[in-house]
This record gives sequence, C-alpha cells and structure tokens, in this order.
Amino acid sequence: GAVVSQHPSWVICKSGTSVKIECRSLDFQATTMFWYRQFPKQSLMLMATSNEGSKATYEQGVEKDKFLINHASLTLSTLTVTSAHPEDSSFYICSSLGGFGYNSPLHFGNGTRLTVT
Amino acid sequence: DAKTTQPPSMDCAEGRAANLPCNHSTISGNEYVYWYRQIHSQGPQYIIHGLKNNETNEMASLIITEDRKSSTLILPHATLRDTAVYYCIVALYNQGGKLIFGQGTELSVKP
Repeated sequence: GAVVSQHPSWVICKSGTSVKIECRSLDFQATTMFWYRQFPKQSLMLMATSNEGSKATYEQGVEKDKFLINHASLTLSTLTVTSAHPEDSSFYICSSLGGFGYNSPLHFGNGTRLTVT
Repeated sequence: DAKTTQPPSMDCAEGRAANLPCNHSTISGNEYVYWYRQIHSQGPQYIIHGLKNNETNEMASLIITEDRKSSTLILPHATLRDTAVYYCIVALYNQGGKLIFGQGTELSVKP
C-alpha cells in the first residue's frame, strides 16, 4: 500500500489565489520530505527539501516566497503556492524515505495536478 | 544536472524481457544506482537500487558493469502494465533521498 499520501489529487484555482498541498507519511515518521514539480512531457524537477522543525532548503531558481513549505510535524509537510498564476500550473509531487532511515528507498505521493485559470 | 544518460524511448513485446540501459560514466565510488518508473499522471514508483553487485527483486533485475559506468534494468516478462517512463538515477546512499531525475526512457510494451 501507499506509504505517502498526497492531497488533493487535483485542484483548479483562479489566478491570484493561494493553494495548499498536503503530503503525509503513513505509518512512519519522516524528518525529511522532498517536493518536485513536473511540467507536461518533462521530467521531475526537485524544488525543495522540507525539514521537520526547521526551514526548507530550496533549489536554485525556486522562489521561497512563492512556494511556502511547512513541515510542522513528523508526518506532514505542506506546500503552499502563493498568488498562483497560470505558469504555476503543473504536477506537484512529494516524496519521503520509507521510514527506516537511509536503508530504504524513496517513496512518492501520487501527485497533485494544479491548474491555474 | 542528472548524471545519467538513457535512450529516450524503447519498445518491447509483451511477455518478452525488457532491457533498459543507462550510462553513468562519471559515477563515484560511493554512489548508488537507483531505478524508478512513472506511469502516466502518477508519482514515481521505486523499482530497485544497487552499488556494484547485481541485484534482483520481485519486480526486476539490475545488472551493473564491473567498472560501474553503466547498468541495465531487466524486466523479465514485460506486461502492458509495465508501459511507463523509467528513470535511472545516481545518488549518494546517505543523501536522505535527494534524487535528481533525468529524462528517462519511455518504455512501450506492445501486445
């Protein structure tokens, strides 16, 4: 079964509004989660590393004020796309280790398809 | 940037073995080779990973060359449900899961 749950699976919002995406680790504690973005016909691009209890680490070129990440508990990380615009429309995917530290593979959520109109 | 090179697409007949190659000529001694696949509009799924020995699990086999500069993922009996984009990724085992994806290989399994 799934070890990472992502919600919602899809969302449509109007330009200028904010959207929150949740990523939950099931049955294990995740001190670190990762957020990716994927445009059509392209590969996954790592956006940021979400660390429980501390600030997220963003990849070069990703606006931290635009993509707010909160990792307030060991089982939940959220990504908020603030003041969304049509160019933010994309497939957002979170991931986490499988719950046994480094001796486990990375598990991914099923993604959130964001459409900004 | 991704440190691997894969063919953009491959076809395979249903029931036959699918052999997906990956070049990683700049791999360092402590980097592992990971394979994931992504079925359309879903999150990536872990398949297998290895350091230098060949590995096998219920999904696939991973063959890594002796010099570690390339590897091959083998799906022994491909089915239509194996149609997906397959990603070969090189990463440090202790990077806490930080994986950089390349373009992958789009595998089409045909009846």
